[in-house]
Amino acid sequence: GAVVSQHPSRVICKSGTSVKIECRSLDFQATTMFWYRQFPKQSLMLMATSNEGSKATYEQGVEKDKFLINHASLTLSTLTVTSAHPEDSSFYICSAVTGGFVNEQYFGPGTRLTVT
Amino acid sequence: QKEVEQDPGPLSVPEGAIVSLNCTYSNSAFQYFMWYRQYSRKGPELLMYTYSSGNKEDGRFTAQVDKSSKYISLFIRDSQPSDSATYLCAMRTNEKLTFGTGTRLTIIP
Repeated sequence: GAVVSQHPSRVICKSGTSVKIECRSLDFQATTMFWYRQFPKQSLMLMATSNEGSKATYEQGVEKDKFLINHASLTLSTLTVTSAHPEDSSFYICSAVTGGFVNEQYFGPGTRLTVT
Repeated sequence: QKEVEQDPGPLSVPEGAIVSLNCTYSNSAFQYFMWYRQYSRKGPELLMYTYSSGNKEDGRFTAQVDKSSKYISLFIRDSQPSDSATYLCAMRTNEKLTFGTGTRLTIIP
């Protein structure tokens, strides 16, 4: 149980285009989902917290207009990287909380974004 | 100074050895302490979490927290090649997790 999926697993896009990443909780309802970014050999950095039906809360230094987050249902959150640039190339990982207990945070397999 | 410090390694040990992984932290507000395992190009998987100072054991894994020293450890007994992965410590205040950089561990058969 408690499986989180992400789609796509890998995406390559051209500079200036937008790309959408989906995060789904497959067997549970997630009131809260988190979006992280991970650079090679670096830690996961929290980008934003997404609650179903409300606006996402962004961490300091994360541009909300560039990283659009939508949490339209209890099983789906999307991250759209708008006007992507090569410096946005990274590993994006979502996680979901089941039962409101943040310690039980289940992570998706990640999406590797490469902007050329 | 980072809130959570973790030696990135890499760390290589022979199969069967005891592995010790450590993190230090500076924020006294951290309430929960977690250890995640991350295989290459995969998302992190929760191994254990603890709240109070002391030890918590789960199979071959033991998590240790010393709040007075702001130091946490993960011990792996009878290490196996399948334990080869990156291990991340994480600490929580409210709903936010702060991760260490991860230690890359290789168990040599």
